[in-house]
Formats: sequence, structure tokens, C-alpha cells
Amino acid sequence: ILNVEQSPQSLHVQEGDSTNFTCSFPSSNFYALHWYRWETAKSPEALFVMTLNGDEKKKGRISATLNTKEGYSYLYIKGSQPEDSATYLCAFNSGDDKIIFGKGTRLHILP
Amino acid sequence: EAQVTQNPRYLITVTGKKLTVTCSQNMNHEYMSWYRQDPGLGLRQIYYSMNVEVTDKGDVPEGYKVSRKEKRNFPLILESPSPNQTSLYFCASRTEGRSHQPQHFGDGTRLSIL
Repeated sequence: ILNVEQSPQSLHVQEGDSTNFTCSFPSSNFYALHWYRWETAKSPEALFVMTLNGDEKKKGRISATLNTKEGYSYLYIKGSQPEDSATYLCAFNSGDDKIIFGKGTRLHILP
Repeated sequence: EAQVTQNPRYLITVTGKKLTVTCSQNMNHEYMSWYRQDPGLGLRQIYYSMNVEVTDKGDVPEGYKVSRKEKRNFPLILESPSPNQTSLYFCASRTEGRSHQPQHFGDGTRLSIL
């Protein structure tokens, strides 16, 4: 059974501080890893698609890295703002058409 | 506007009364999928479809049926709903089955089975 773990489960960060969290996935049969941002009462929206070992993607203050050999990806947020409060999901795609989601990291930005 | 549309958004019903949640996408996507989201369990895949007339079980298919007669529609059918199917359901689509592309999600359907 494929397992995708995200840590921490929940995180409180002071506005202006930087933070990061982790997604761990199986290191074999890797095809792609997706990061999604999921705001309360909305649907998940794609942030990054990571496909190659060593990939680094950036969108504004948010960036992500990928290590497929050891099976982890980090999401970084620099200078957290209130609008960053959301649940961040990662999804592992092994190429066999099933997609396994982690349980998410719930980020709260404190004013 | 590119979107995935689910209906209804909210439904309260009783055990055993058949219901269908519709999902439609206007992006000509080949791949469509249904998920349920439960507290502490994250998003779990129910069924997915690689293309018209091709459907496969996800991780939690028991108690659900799907069909894919047309590319744009992927309804989720609960033939005899039970209280353990009370959940938040999401439909999603992406360009093609074997693809790096992320999924586009609908706004969700909150089902309560009494």
C-alpha cells in the first residue's frame, strides 16, 4: 500500500516569519508530485508540479524542492502573510494512474 | 471559464435512497476522478476514469458506482447510501491519464446520510 505522509499536521506561524513543511512518499515508481493549496470552503488549487529529482519550483514567496531518491519534497513559505493560511496537500503519482494524497499540513498565520 | 461543476453542493438524505452526484468539466479532459474527504483521513480516491467507457476503482470504491458515457460527465452513484458515506466529495479532472499535469477540482458536494 502506497503511503504519503505530510508533517507537521498543523502549524502556527507568526506573520512575517518563514516556514516549511514536508511531504514523504515512496522512493520507487516515482512519476510526479503535486502540491496543492486548499483554502477553507474552497477546492484545492494546484501550486506546483514536480517531476525531476532536484526540481526546484517557485511562485512568489512559495517554493518547493524535490528529492525522488530519498522520497521527500519540501514546501517553503517566505515571509508568511495572512492569506497563506490554508491546508497544503501533496499528491504522489506513481504513473499507474492512481494518485495518493497526503493528509495535508494545516497552516495558520498569526497576526 | 474552465471549470469542474458538481451538483448538488449540499444534500441531506436518508439511508437507502439512491442518489447521484453529477460532475461535468468543460476542458475536454480525458481523466476524471472522484474523492471523498473525511477528517483525519485526507482525500481518498473512490473511482477514476482514463477516458470514455473506461473506469477503475480507487482506494475506497465500496458502495459507489460511476459511469463515463461521455467525456465531459462523470456521475457518482450511491445505490443504497449509508451513514458511513456521509462525507465531503470532490470531483477532479486533468488533461489525460498518464500525465504530469495537476488536477482541477470542483467545489465539492457535502453529503449527509441520516
